[in-house]
Amino acid sequence: GQQLNQSPQSMFIQEGEDVSMNCTSSSIFNTWLWYKQDPGEGPVLLIALYKAGELTSNGRLTAQFGITRKDSFLNISASIPSDVGIYFCAGQLRTGNQFYFGTGTSLTVIP
Amino acid sequence: DVKVTQSSRYLVKRTGEKVFLECVQDMDHENMFWYRQDPGLGLRLIYFSYDVKMKEKGDIPEGYSVSREKKERFSLILESASTNQTSMYLCASMVRVGSWNTEAFFGQGTRLTVV
Repeated sequence: GQQLNQSPQSMFIQEGEDVSMNCTSSSIFNTWLWYKQDPGEGPVLLIALYKAGELTSNGRLTAQFGITRKDSFLNISASIPSDVGIYFCAGQLRTGNQFYFGTGTSLTVIP
Repeated sequence: DVKVTQSSRYLVKRTGEKVFLECVQDMDHENMFWYRQDPGLGLRLIYFSYDVKMKEKGDIPEGYSVSREKKERFSLILESASTNQTSMYLCASMVRVGSWNTEAFFGQGTRLTVV
């Protein structure tokens, strides 16, 4: 299947710091989604992106659909302890109905 | 809000047992998916379905089958459970947003342990 490269793999940050993570692909995607997964739970959809260059916010989270359509970025501002979890990107090709997932970024916030 | 519900949060089964994992969505979505999630391997697609009685193999279908008799329900079946099928299983359903875009929603997951 398609490979989505997500980085970084893990992050350890102080509470209050900003966080950035990204996903890249060799293919052009039509949709980018960002999820957060708490331990033992299913992923929860945070932000959906549909157009190249689109910038969308959800509270302290901001995500961007890259201009090349091959990448996407997620930023979290002023992190808090409940931001801890694994963040996944997912991309969908224009053809087909499947989503392809990044391997996740594990975020630890140190109070 | 979209709701995707998996029938069990935790299951412990013996090797060789036939195991059924059930998933129900309440939004009349056509597309449903089963994934397994393992540390270091991410989410891997087992099977998906575009419509009632239709199914397609994903990347790792061996040892699994699925059933979609009703639109809202998508079942994953482990014909003869083995220890290497111990994993977190995630069901997802997908909705079309506009002409070209979709969103996918997940259930809460089923942690299956095969002993």
